[in-house]
Formats: sequence, structure tokens, C-alpha cells
Amino acid sequence: DFQMTQSPSSLSASVGDRVTITCRASQDISEYLAWYQQKPGKPPRLLIYVASTLQSGVPSRFSGSGSGTDFTLTISSLQPDDVATYFCQKYNSAPRTFGQGTKVEIK
Amino acid sequence: EVQLVESGGGLVKPGESLRLSCAASGFTFSRYSMNWVRQAPGKGLEWVSSITVSSDYIFYANSVRGRFTISRDNTKNSLLLQMNSLTAEDTAVYYCVRINPGSAFDIWGQGTVVTVSS
Repeated sequence: DFQMTQSPSSLSASVGDRVTITCRASQDISEYLAWYQQKPGKPPRLLIYVASTLQSGVPSRFSGSGSGTDFTLTISSLQPDDVATYFCQKYNSAPRTFGQGTKVEIK
Repeated sequence: EVQLVESGGGLVKPGESLRLSCAASGFTFSRYSMNWVRQAPGKGLEWVSSITVSSDYIFYANSVRGRFTISRDNTKNSLLLQMNSLTAEDTAVYYCVRINPGSAFDIWGQGTVVTVSS
């Protein structure tokens, strides 16, 4: 079965810190990788697609990189509003698998 | 305003059926492939099913194949999910989601809650 593996599963950082989340695909997915942010009780929100393209309205402190099997989401300066769970996803074809999520908290 | 609104969730017993609906508005529904994604309580996101614009290609997660049926009615701007033989493992919030060509899952509904319990 196709798998997307995220790490870490959770992290705690200070306001202003640089935060990095990684996502590894079990097969080459080129750049068909998206990142989502989900806050409690809300649906997910698309942040980044084709690995590095910022969705309209997303703050520029978010960035994505990678291709093939290894991808990264970076928050350049963590803000209180960034407290959420982040998911990666391979989206171009079925199965459109999600990573297990990374919960980001403020220290 | 671009919007997806799910309905049809509720409490059912194991082995029973439920049909979820999703009403789309604010965009040309017939031009977009659509998806169902679910999230069990306290868990991550699980892609459930996808359907292309003309219903010519349909895909399911292994966990629901043979029990769930996705369909759409482009004349009514609606997406459906027929769920049969439900088990406790199907308990989740079910989201209706648009996939934007060249982008990803860009529009999400607020979700509808399905609880399977005796």
C-alpha cells in the first residue's frame, strides 16, 4: 500500500522559531504533494500545492520544498496563529493518501 | 461565495446504511472532480473516494471499497456517498472536498458527523 510518513508527530517551539516538518512518500510522486493546516473543530485548509506553490491568502512565512519522495514544510517564524495540525498529501491520483499529521504547539 | 455543504450524517447501528449529500454553490460544479475525506475522532485525515467530472472514473480507499458508492448529479450540483454495511470503524466526520486541476483539495465543506454504534 502507498504510504505518506510525516515527522515529527508533534513539536513544541517558541514564537519566532523556524519550524520544519518532513513528509516521505513510499514511491516517487514527482511534485504532487500538498500541505494542509487544520485547527480544532475546523476543516483543513490548503496551504501549499505542487510541493512549493503557496495557495492564495497563505502567509509568506510558510514554504514548501522537495520532489520525488522527500518533502518539507517550513514555517520561517512561528506565530501563535500557526498552532494547528499539519498534513501532507499525495493528491494527483488515487489513492490520495494523507500523512498522519504533525501537531504544532507553542512552547 | 464558493461553498460545499454536507448533510445526512447521524447515528446508525452496525450493519445499517446511510447516505451523505453535499450541495455545491458558487462555482461550476460540473467542471471539477470531487472527493470524500473522513476523519475519525482524534485521528488524522483519510481519503475515502474520488469521482471525475463525468463520473467516468471512480476510485475508493481499500477500507470502503465494496461498501460505499460515490455518485454525483451535475444538474443538481450535488455529490453523494451511499454507505452500506457500516461498522464502528466508519465513525468519523465526513468532508466533501473539491479538487482543483493544477492545485489540490482547495475547497472543503464543514463536514457531517457519522456515528456507528449499537
